[in-house]
Amino acid sequence: DVKVTQSSRYLVKRTGEKVFLECVQDMDHENMFWYRQDPGLGLRLIYFSYDVKMKEKGDIPEGYSVSREKKERFSLILESASTNQTSMYLCATVQNSGNTIYFGEGSWLTVV
Amino acid sequence: GESVGLHLPTLSVQEGDNSIINCAYSNSASDYFIWYKQESGKGPQFIIDIRSNMDKRQGQRVTVLLNKTVKHLSLQIAATQPGDSAVYFCAENTYGNKLVFGAGTILRVKS
Repeated sequence: DVKVTQSSRYLVKRTGEKVFLECVQDMDHENMFWYRQDPGLGLRLIYFSYDVKMKEKGDIPEGYSVSREKKERFSLILESASTNQTSMYLCATVQNSGNTIYFGEGSWLTVV
Repeated sequence: GESVGLHLPTLSVQEGDNSIINCAYSNSASDYFIWYKQESGKGPQFIIDIRSNMDKRQGQRVTVLLNKTVKHLSLQIAATQPGDSAVYFCAENTYGNKLVFGAGTILRVKS
């Protein structure tokens, strides 16, 4: 089974803090994604990566950056957290040859 | 596009009845569609998928119907059980592996 692990499930951070959300997958998939999920808005794509050191902006990249130094790890970075970034963040992965996307369990971030 | 609002649409069904969850997609060029189930506090789980060259696909207790003429997708769950209570999302694959998700529908199963 594919395993997508988000190490931090619940975080509370202060406004202006730098926040790292880590995601690790164990299936050697090329593609990794970060989404945020908010009530009534569904899942919105923040950034995605097709390969190591490659990144592409999604639909709502403002206020975020990402890092993909190793194939199995995709990090989402909030350089200066703001209260409107309080949300649930989902990491996902998919093979180049496949279409099924696998999600992590989610990271609940509260910015106060 | 996105659905903006405070509340997700909710479908309440009696245990044992069939459920039909609907989804309208936006891009006529989308070639692949997926239904996900998300239980409280968990990430979305894959349920069933369908390619644009098909109009129906069946799984275990679930059926997905695709109507490309009106850009409509539906998920049918047979003999709905309490464990089916969750939020259900449809997603369309617009290009590559970039998925666009709907806002979701809450399914509540009454015992």
